[in-house]
Amino acid sequence: GAGVSQSPSNKVTEKGKDVELRCDPISGHTALYWYRQSLGQGLEFLIYFQGNSAPDKSGLPSDRFSAERTGGSVSTLTIQRTQQEDSAVYLCASSASGTSGIDEQFFGPGTRLTVL
Amino acid sequence: AQSVTQLDSQVPVFEEAPVELRCNYSSSVSVYLFWYVQYPNQGLQLLLKYLSGSTLVKGINGFEAEFNKSQTSFHLRKPSVHISDTAEYFCAVSGSNDYKLSFGAGTTVTVRA
Repeated sequence: GAGVSQSPSNKVTEKGKDVELRCDPISGHTALYWYRQSLGQGLEFLIYFQGNSAPDKSGLPSDRFSAERTGGSVSTLTIQRTQQEDSAVYLCASSASGTSGIDEQFFGPGTRLTVL
Repeated sequence: AQSVTQLDSQVPVFEEAPVELRCNYSSSVSVYLFWYVQYPNQGLQLLLKYLSGSTLVKGINGFEAEFNKSQTSFHLRKPSVHISDTAEYFCAVSGSNDYKLSFGAGTTVTVRA
């Protein structure tokens, strides 16, 4: 079956603009995660959705970042008023249940965001 | 909270030579340990994982890792590398009550002929 897909694969934007990044998880996976991979910071957790529970937003770096997950499937990560330090690869992952650290997370190919 | 330290940022190695990538973790609770590989311009792919049981874990592509609780380590090894193993490797940890993965900084392996 299809894996996790993300779009766009690359996004170049100007400082101050808003961007939306999309993630389609593996069908049937109830848990969805966003991570950010940037130079000097490595891979950082951003946000986690599990079923109908309130999302864990503890990793979001500022209030310019938000995410939603509609219908328990597709997720959109929105960055408002982008800054140059937002430049990174944004990775989405999904897992079957996400209720324990045992669950394998399957990663998408990422969206490379460049803020000029 | 868990944290992961990958002791080598770059590992150059010749084809058919062995390689070891070092990973140490810190945690006050039971952990689950993972190694992921990221090939150029691709997402992360799981190589292997330790959840419980045997401390020697075998993964895909001939990789294996050994969980050492007393040394809080989870080093990755391959006895003979190929050019195609050139990639970035990430060690990660999660906990029984923590679904989030905490990653190390990554180790770039470059295999030369």
